[in-house]
Order: sequence, then C-alpha cells, then structure tokens
Amino acid sequence: QQPVQSPQAVILREGEDAVINCSSSKALYSVHWYRQKHGEAPIFLMILLKGGEQKGHDKISASFNEKKQQSSLYLTASQLSYSGTYFCGTDSYSGAGSYQLTFGKGTKLSVIP
Amino acid sequence: DTAVSQTPKYLVTQMGNDKSIKCEQNLGHDTMYWYKQDSKKFLKIMFSYNNKELIINETVPNRFSPKSPDKAHLNLHINSLELGDSAVYFCASSQDNSGPAGNTIYFGEGSWLTVV
Repeated sequence: QQPVQSPQAVILREGEDAVINCSSSKALYSVHWYRQKHGEAPIFLMILLKGGEQKGHDKISASFNEKKQQSSLYLTASQLSYSGTYFCGTDSYSGAGSYQLTFGKGTKLSVIP
Repeated sequence: DTAVSQTPKYLVTQMGNDKSIKCEQNLGHDTMYWYKQDSKKFLKIMFSYNNKELIINETVPNRFSPKSPDKAHLNLHINSLELGDSAVYFCASSQDNSGPAGNTIYFGEGSWLTVV
C-alpha cells in the first residue's frame, strides 16, 4: 500500500527549515528517503530501520515513529541544492521471503534565494 | 563507472512500434527492477527480478515483457507502443529483497520514452 506524503509541495527561502511527512496505514519495517532533482534519477538519502531511529545526513535528518507508522524528514537551513522532489519508500512483505519497496507520490521542494 | 546503466537515454518513436531498453548493473546486486515514472512524477514498480527470476509483476499490459539473461542485466521490451506509454523508465537494483536493509534501491539514469 502506497505511503502518504505531505505536503505535496513546499517553497522555501534559503536558510529556512522544512519538514516532510510520510505515513502508512500498514505496519512499517523501515522507511527509505530519496531525492530526485529535475531530469535526474532518484538518489538514496537514508534508511531508518528501527522504531524511534533518527538519522542525519549533513543538515538533513529523519525520524521514524514505528507506533504511529510514520516518518518525518527534516531539512534545516535549506540550501539551493536541496531543491527537488523527495520520496519516501516503505517496505512491505510480499511473500516467499521477499520485501517490496513502495514509494509515496513525492513532495516537491523548491528553495529560492 | 556507472553503477546502473541503461540505454537509450532518449527514445522517440511512433505508435505501434516495438522498442527495447537495456539495463546493466555492476554492483553485484541480486535484485533488479523496472520502474515507470509518469508526468505526475509517481514512481511505480513494474517488475522485479531476483537472481534472474521474476518476483514482482505488477498490473502491467502484456505488451511489456522483461527479460533477464543473467542477474546483472534486465532488459525491457515493449510491443505495439501506445501514446500512454510515454514516460520515464528507470532500471534499478538492490542488494537483495530479503529484508528492508537489502532493499535500498539504486536507480539508473532513466530512459525518456516519447510515443508520437
């Protein structure tokens, strides 16, 4: 089942902060975050495997609340290079020992000078 | 060295034609995928192969046929192309699909298909 991301789009000025949320109606094993710049492939940012886990990547960090079945991506002091579409992906068990990653519809982040 | 490479990058073709997109990964991964990204940017999985075996086959028209000659290659053949097939097709790979940690996906650069 596809996770739900919010907001769909956000515009920031350089230096401002943003939060992107990802929630699922099913129990989550993990949450993946990807960023896709215009005309390019999605690039892996981070994966969160345990409930309550938080990870950081420069000024981009994320948290994972297993009980609430949601994750949030935090972008601090945004830079122009942060612009792009952010996707969360959630794992679900698809049987026979296999897991499938399903992506949300994405959040378009635009950082302006 | 590109980890996941796909060709061609751009493809413009007429309705009714048949076309193929090739994909190769040099990461030593066991699992490969084809994703379709439409104009609304939605990333939808089409197929997943693990060690050359088809694992996932989402609701995709029979005109789309994947072929995996070995675990480093996954090609996509499309018959009788339609206007609605216009999209970006991403090949991808992951270490395996046996657990969330192994599911981190590495995408190729994408193939922009335009059907006219």
